[in-house]
Amino acid sequence: GQNIDQPTEMTATEGAIVQINCTYQTSGFNGLFWYQQHAGEAPTFLSYNVLDGLEEKGRFSSFLSRSKGYSYLLLKELQMKDSASYLCAVRDRSGAGSYQLTFGKGTKLSVIP
Amino acid sequence: GAGVSQTPSNKVTEKGKYVELRCDPISGHTALYWYRQSLGQGPEFLIYFQGTGAADDSGLPNDRFFAVRPEGSVSTLKIQRTERGDSAVYLCASSLRARDNSPLHFGNGTRLTVT
Repeated sequence: GQNIDQPTEMTATEGAIVQINCTYQTSGFNGLFWYQQHAGEAPTFLSYNVLDGLEEKGRFSSFLSRSKGYSYLLLKELQMKDSASYLCAVRDRSGAGSYQLTFGKGTKLSVIP
Repeated sequence: GAGVSQTPSNKVTEKGKYVELRCDPISGHTALYWYRQSLGQGPEFLIYFQGTGAADDSGLPNDRFFAVRPEGSVSTLKIQRTERGDSAVYLCASSLRARDNSPLHFGNGTRLTVT
């Protein structure tokens, strides 16, 4: 199985930068995803990391360290619409060849004026 | 269609009844996933299909839950003898492949309420 840990809630100010951390324990690592989920809506894909380092996509960046079992999502120039839950998900290849994607419980980010 | 479609969007049923939830994935996506999500929690894995076969059903909580994908496209999640604890949003997702950088695209979910 997998163990994915991320903070339950965070609050940040409009225009600021926020970093959401995710730690995981797994075998057969096959990639890490970040998703955004607004209340009452489906999760939407933000980023993917499989190699160590930083992936940048506009205001959003995601970092991975496989040796530490650690990732973070960095949001810059925060906007009110960024208030949402951010889900860390790890894809794991099992011995049976299954590629299961397991989600953390999510971090609820509140952006305040 | 343009995205993953799930029907119905809402389902209210009495305890002990049988329900079917339908998912129509993005055309051409070979992998299809079912998750369920309770309030304030992340999506919990149930089962995924690669083509017509269930590649991993380790997340199904018990034998009341069953899913099929007979032609490798539309999938149906079936729940027998529903219990109040089954109440949740059931999310379906599809991806081009089940591995590598192929992200999951989610439908809007079916909100199941068991009374």
